[in-house]
Amino acid sequence: EIQMTQSPSSVSAFIGDRVTITCRASQSVSSYVNWYRQTPGKAPTVVIYTASSLQTGVPARFSGSGSGTHFSLTISSLQPEDVGIYYCQQTFGVPITFGQGTRLDLK
Amino acid sequence: EVQLVEAGGGFVQPGRSLRLSCAGSGFTFDDVAMHWVRQPPGKGLEWVSGISWDTNDVAYADSVKGRFTISRDNAKDTLYLEMDSLTTEDTAFYYCAKDLGEQLVSYTWFDSWGQGILVTVSS
Repeated sequence: EIQMTQSPSSVSAFIGDRVTITCRASQSVSSYVNWYRQTPGKAPTVVIYTASSLQTGVPARFSGSGSGTHFSLTISSLQPEDVGIYYCQQTFGVPITFGQGTRLDLK
Repeated sequence: EVQLVEAGGGFVQPGRSLRLSCAGSGFTFDDVAMHWVRQPPGKGLEWVSGISWDTNDVAYADSVKGRFTISRDNAKDTLYLEMDSLTTEDTAFYYCAKDLGEQLVSYTWFDSWGQGILVTVSS
């Protein structure tokens, strides 16, 4: 099983701050990492797919990078609507696995 | 508009069984793989099981292997999860999720999710 390890587990930032969340895979997953955001009481929605592609409708302040075992999600200028829990996911092999999540909130 | 609607959740005693269903609409159901993902209240996401478009390929998380069975009826645009020998560790919100690709491993992502349904296992 491919383990996905996210850091930090939680982060607080001011509006306008640059925020970066990282995800490390226990073995290479090529570029097959996706990032989801989940808000309370809702299902997750994809933000970044295949490591660096921005999902339609997601603001351009979101970006993703990485390949192999190290990946990151960056929000260039944090906005209030960006709060939530972010999960990375690998779809390189089964079982498909998620990171443990990073809780992002406002200072 | 893509819609996924889960049903069949509820309260069940340990050791008993439950079957979840997920009705899809707004897309060609038999063109895509489908998955179940669960989330214990207040905790993270865990992929449970997935099935290819043609049912030829299925897979399970180790935590449910041998107890859960995924299936689909493409004629009814419906995904199922049969859950046997339930334990308190299976208490969670269960989401069905639509893959972008056909195969179980399509190197894609889950582009639509249901609203989730709660399964509570308790004596």
